[in-house]
Amino acid sequence: DTGVSQDPRHKITKRGQNVTFRCDPISEHNRLYWYRQTLGQGPEFLTYFQNEAQLEKSRLLSDRFSAERPKGSFSTLEIQRTEQGDSAMYLCASSLDGTGRNSPLHFGNGTRLTVT
Amino acid sequence: GDSVTQMEGPVTLSEEAFLTINCTYTATGYPSLFWYVQYPGEGLQLLLKATKADDKGSNKGFEATYRKETTSFHLEKGSVQVSDSAVYFCAPKSSGDKLTFGTGTRLAVRP
Repeated sequence: DTGVSQDPRHKITKRGQNVTFRCDPISEHNRLYWYRQTLGQGPEFLTYFQNEAQLEKSRLLSDRFSAERPKGSFSTLEIQRTEQGDSAMYLCASSLDGTGRNSPLHFGNGTRLTVT
Repeated sequence: GDSVTQMEGPVTLSEEAFLTINCTYTATGYPSLFWYVQYPGEGLQLLLKATKADDKGSNKGFEATYRKETTSFHLEKGSVQVSDSAVYFCAPKSSGDKLTFGTGTRLAVRP
């Protein structure tokens, strides 16, 4: 069990540029989640996948955000035309959907995005 | 949807002091309840969980009991250490199978 892996750990970009983050979940986990966390706040849910299907998207996920999980393994989160308000830690988590609500989420160390 | 109210921090304690961090929640249906801990610059680590009323979750000296009648899941530890300094998050998981987090409670333990 190598844990949830996120890449890159840090990203600095200029306003208006596009960025893409990658998440590799724990290998046998079929659910994958994206959260966003700003300084001093708790993580906020963005979206989640079961295998390759995106099952739910938060209202926080504007049209500039898109997430994919094409083969039901790794996932990417792309932000187009970044804004300073997008600066945050983006957290990925995975879980094994066997016991439903009892399954804990396992988090990666996140990608910290800074938009200048 | 689900929501969480945690006591505001920071909570500052001396080493070996008793810790309580209060958590109350609202949730649709019958949630499972989790405590996560976040160390600086890192993601969240699962600390403990409870899946039904009166269950007690425990790990590394931390405990929390699922109180359905008061919709609470308070975190306790009998003797804190400097290494326990971190941010603690309470989170229910019910509808939609996603965790809902509050703002967290920062704990600082002095030597």
